[in-house]
Amino acid sequence: TQLLEQSPQFLSIQEGENLTVYCNSSSVFSSLQWYRQEPGEGPVLLVTVVTGGEVKKLKRLTFQFGDARKDSSLHITAAQPGDTGLYLCETSGSRLTFGEGTQLTVNP
Amino acid sequence: DSGVTQTPKHLITATGQRVTLRCSPRSGDLSVYWYQQSLDQGLQFLIQYYNGEERAKGNILERFSAQQFPDLHSELNLSSLELGDSALYFCASSARGVNIQYFGAGTRLSVL
Repeated sequence: TQLLEQSPQFLSIQEGENLTVYCNSSSVFSSLQWYRQEPGEGPVLLVTVVTGGEVKKLKRLTFQFGDARKDSSLHITAAQPGDTGLYLCETSGSRLTFGEGTQLTVNP
Repeated sequence: DSGVTQTPKHLITATGQRVTLRCSPRSGDLSVYWYQQSLDQGLQFLIQYYNGEERAKGNILERFSAQQFPDLHSELNLSSLELGDSALYFCASSARGVNIQYFGAGTRLSVL
């Protein structure tokens, strides 16, 4: 069974701090997607990573795909209250799977 | 706006009842996915349709069924509702050969 484990489950930080959240599995992925979901909304795609070792930047967000394509991380620099939300990783490998998510709260 | 439309936005019903949730995918998208999101279980994949045919099945209960119509809109039918079926139900669509899913705003189902 393909399982995505995200950590931490909850994270509450002050505006301006840096943070990293993780998405791990024992399976190899052909690709991995990161989504952000805000309260009352559906998830919105942030990025897709495909190549082992790949690093993608989206303004203050940096996404990394592990060399073995079994894990990924999302790093946010100088977090802002607008970054608050549920961060989900997803893979469409042998079975479409979402992680349980990291609930991030950035306090002003 | 993702381009995916879900109706209704809210639904309140009683145990034992049956409801139908509707989803219109983005223009041109052939794939439709249904998800259930409850507080204690995250986003659970239910079922996927591609151009009218069932493509993949997740943790969908036998009391639930779905279909995709020739105009590509999809409906999720939930029957013999139980209190535990209260959740947000999301629909997503994607283009052929692309892993990117575009989500609707969801239907919040409350079973009383």
